[in-house]
Parts: sequence; structure tokens; C-alpha cells
Amino acid sequence: DTAVSQTPKYLVTQMGNDKSIKCEQNLGHDTMYWYKQDSKKFLKIMFSYNNKELIINETVPNRFSPKSPDKAHLNLHINSLELGDSAVYFCASSLTGTGFPGELFFGEGSRLTVL
Amino acid sequence: QKEVEQDPGPLSVPEGAIVSLNCTYSNSAFQYFMWYRQYSRKGPELLMYTYSSGNKEDGRFTAQVDKSSKYISLFIRDSQPSDSATYLCAPAAGNKLTFGGGTRVLVKP
Repeated sequence: DTAVSQTPKYLVTQMGNDKSIKCEQNLGHDTMYWYKQDSKKFLKIMFSYNNKELIINETVPNRFSPKSPDKAHLNLHINSLELGDSAVYFCASSLTGTGFPGELFFGEGSRLTVL
Repeated sequence: QKEVEQDPGPLSVPEGAIVSLNCTYSNSAFQYFMWYRQYSRKGPELLMYTYSSGNKEDGRFTAQVDKSSKYISLFIRDSQPSDSATYLCAPAAGNKLTFGGGTRVLVKP
């Protein structure tokens, strides 16, 4: 059973297009995240939702819009794609309220290439 | 200057050697210090963590934190080819983790 699953795993698209990535977790976690990993492997948080409520919104262009229909799902929509958006996008989830902030469960990533 | 710095490597060692990895950071508010391991084309997974300064051992892995010098270390004893991966340090303040860029490790048989 896949704990955190993302679709699609690969996207290749042209500049200016719009694309979406979907994420689902079956761990019963209450917090979900979107991270971006660039070509130098830096993993940067973009957004975090706790029980469908946005709690972390880093400095990200407003072309990126997350949506959490319920606490098991977090989607990412990207408008007007640019070359610099090419990266691997990881979804992650965690259980809060345990006093320990650090155990994130990551999906396998969605590799976006913008041509 | 980035908040968390790691040497990107690659660090190439023969099987059985000790691997020594480290991170430096600038934020004094970090309280938890995580190490994540990421295999090629996979998501990171938590390897181990420490709270505040001190050492923690888990099998072949030892994590050390020196908050006075803002220095984090991970040691892998008796390294195996299956340890070949990228290791990311990730200190945390509150509920927010800040990842280093990772060090790529290659363990050669």
C-alpha cells in the first residue's frame, strides 16, 4: 500500500500551459505539504495544510495554487508555466500534536519539465 | 548565505569505511535535527533525529549536534553499497523543517 501517492510522476509541457499535480495520503495524517526540489537538490517548502487549512505559504508566485478538498488530499495547480518551474515536486504528510515536528512521509515526486 | 549548508559531494568511499557527513546552520531557534536519506528518484525518508545538543546512536548510524557551534554530523559505520544515497540534514524550529542541499554518498563494493 502506497502511503503518499502523487500523480502524475512525470509531466512534460510547454511554457505558458497550466498543469495540476494530485496527492493523496492514506496514513491518517492531518498535515500535508508541497515541496519543490531543484536541480541542486535543495528541498524547499511551498505550502502546508493542516486539516484543510493553509498554515504555511512561503514566498511562491501566485501562479501556484494549492487546494485541499479534505485532509487526505492536497493538489497543486500551476498556471502559465515558466522554464524556472522545472523541478521535482514532492508531496508529504505528517501527524501533528505529537511534540515532534520532523517525521514527514514523502511521495515519490512529480518531475515537471517545462520546454 | 543559506540557512543550512551541506557539502554536495559526491563522497565516495569503499565498502566498510566510515562515512562522515556534516551540516552547518545559522538559525539558533532550531531545536530538532533530522537526517533524511533520499535514494535516486525517490522521496526522502527520515533516517534519525536528535533533540537539542548531544549524540544519538541507531545501529550503524550516529547523529551528533553541537548547538554552540551550530554543527550537525552523521556518521555511518561499516558502510554498505545500499547506503549509497543523498543524505539531507533538516533542522526544525516549531513545525517547520529547513532542508540542506544534501550530500551524495557512493559506497563502492
